[in-house]
Amino acid sequence: NAGVTQTPKFQVLKTGQSMTLQCAQDMNHNSMYWYRQDPGMGLRLIYYSASEGTTDKGEVPNGYNVSRLNKREFSLRLESAAPSQTSVYFCASRRSGVVNEQFFGPGTRLTVL
Amino acid sequence: KNEVEQSPQNLTAQEGEFITINCSYSVGISALHWLQQHPGGGIVSLFMLSSGKKKHGRLIATINIQEKHSSLHITASHPRDSAVYICAGNSGGGADGLTFGKGTHLIIQP
Repeated sequence: NAGVTQTPKFQVLKTGQSMTLQCAQDMNHNSMYWYRQDPGMGLRLIYYSASEGTTDKGEVPNGYNVSRLNKREFSLRLESAAPSQTSVYFCASRRSGVVNEQFFGPGTRLTVL
Repeated sequence: KNEVEQSPQNLTAQEGEFITINCSYSVGISALHWLQQHPGGGIVSLFMLSSGKKKHGRLIATINIQEKHSSLHITASHPRDSAVYICAGNSGGGADGLTFGKGTHLIIQP
């Protein structure tokens, strides 16, 4: 099993450009998450999806959109990138039901110039 | 104000030393997680606990629910333990996302 995979690993954008970060998991997990990690701050939740076809905002959703097209895949879109969105983005997944651990992808390092 | 606080922020120790990293949280949580992030950036779950103590190899995690406090201990530390250790709590809201501490940057010198 590959676990949680993310693409791309690195990306440089110019202000105003758009892009989509891809995430996929092969563990048959219902819940999936997008976090961002910034220096001096803990990871923060951008959006989450409790099941296929449902998404909800987290702590810092502004400037992002998400799609949960199927159980495996959860994508994060930046419609008009801003320098404040320079960050490392992590996707994670977990089984639903009782509290259990989250599995993280390798991260995408995004720089917006 | 972050609801999960870790201390220390940075810790440098010599190989073989006993290491303690502390985590305090200000809201009720259903479970407390300890995560490890290596310089390459990947994040791995070490422990998830809601009471008592768990041990895995040289790592021990404890939690005191009444005091809203958890500790991560590393015995016989080794340079390969050098990483950022992150404490996080399940807040229970929404899809049960995690609320993270800012992390403790640990360096073990040979």
